[in-house]
Amino acid sequence: QQNVQQSPESLIVPEGARTSLNCTFSDSASQYFWWYRQHSGKAPKALMSIFSNGEKEEGRFTIHLNKASLHFSLHIRDSQPSDSALYLCAGASSGSWQLIFGSGTQLTVMP
Amino acid sequence: GGIITQTPKFLIGQEGQKLTLKCQQNFNHDTMYWYRQDSGKGLRLIYYSITENDLQKGDLSEGYDASREKKSSFSLTVTSAQKNEMAVFLCASSWDNTEVFFGKGTRLTVV
Repeated sequence: QQNVQQSPESLIVPEGARTSLNCTFSDSASQYFWWYRQHSGKAPKALMSIFSNGEKEEGRFTIHLNKASLHFSLHIRDSQPSDSALYLCAGASSGSWQLIFGSGTQLTVMP
Repeated sequence: GGIITQTPKFLIGQEGQKLTLKCQQNFNHDTMYWYRQDSGKGLRLIYYSITENDLQKGDLSEGYDASREKKSSFSLTVTSAQKNEMAVFLCASSWDNTEVFFGKGTRLTVV
């Protein structure tokens, strides 16, 4: 059974900072990894996904996956106040339709 | 693009009452989910369904029933509402392990 832990629980950073959010998962058979972002009062929306070890960059956002260490992270370059949201990591195993979410990191970017 | 419609948006119930939440999707997705989100926290999986008439329990299924009578709809029943319970119930859908799309949620308050 997949267990996903996120850290930190909350984070306050100044505008322009580099922000790092972390996620560890328990199931080494996990193959699908997602970061979702949820602005206050809105539905969660997929931000980025990765399905193999390594790094993926899209604009100011970079995700890293290391299956050996069961670690998955999101890095935001030049953080903006509009990045303020709840960030949720999620994982699923091959052949399983259970997408298991972590408890979330509440990010606040101060102007 | 598709949309996931959840009804009602707000639900106020009394302790011990049986309450039903409804969800419709027009993505033609096979898999549908019900998640519970407590204030500012992560998502916990209640039930999911990989096809019409299929039901799979998540970690939080106790106290809930679900029904998938059509591919496009998935309903959730709170079998006996707990006093002071307050949460947002999110319906979602996807194809296999691809991106999960969420509805805007039903906010439940039990008095």
